Amino acid sequence: DAGVIQSPRHEVTEMGQEVTLRCKPISGHDYLFWYRQTMMRGLELLIYFNNNVPIDDSGMPEDRFSAKMPNASFSTLKIQPSEPRDSAVYFCASSPTGRDNEKLFFGSGTQLSVL
Amino acid sequence: DAKTTQPPSMDCAEGRAANLPCNHSTISGNEYVYWYRQIHSQGPQYIIHGLKNNETNEMASLIITEDRKSSTLILPHATLRDTAVYYCIVRVAGAAGNKLTFGGGTRVLVKP
Repeated sequence: DAGVIQSPRHEVTEMGQEVTLRCKPISGHDYLFWYRQTMMRGLELLIYFNNNVPIDDSGMPEDRFSAKMPNASFSTLKIQPSEPRDSAVYFCASSPTGRDNEKLFFGSGTQLSVL
Repeated sequence: DAKTTQPPSMDCAEGRAANLPCNHSTISGNEYVYWYRQIHSQGPQYIIHGLKNNETNEMASLIITEDRKSSTLILPHATLRDTAVYYCIVRVAGAAGNKLTFGGGTRVLVKP
């Protein structure tokens, strides 16, 4: 398996623009997580899904952020409008139920820069 | 989930064992200890986890004290590629969708 795949790897945009980050979890994993990492705040959980249903979005910073999981193999994190303080590395992770259910498998992240 | 305390940084020599401490004095009986690491520019990577018995896998060993208030991750023969931030996390197994809460971690620098 190719692991968790995130795109794009890098994104540079201007303040006010819409940004969409994409994630393809490992096939068969039924949990999907979105994390954000900054120097100041470290790794923060934004939202997670189970079987495509959002379970906990308490980490989503504000209404400008939204996440969807239309099917088991795809999720998006959207920021509209983007602001410079949204600059961070965004990680997607997935985990299975059953064997290896204690492990989160992370993607390589999307480095977002909002100018 | 219980809080953990780790030293912010440590150095170790290549080829030697690296012993990374973690304090989790408020751990509950049903909480596990997990270790992840994050190499620069990559996502975190699972290393090992345990409840109360010592654990070993191909990457590392985990030693948990009898009172479970602290643990040590051991990298038996550190290599330059082990330079990373190491996170110790305590959580109830299987709870809340396996989500993990990361603290500050220990920045480990392996020197030649």
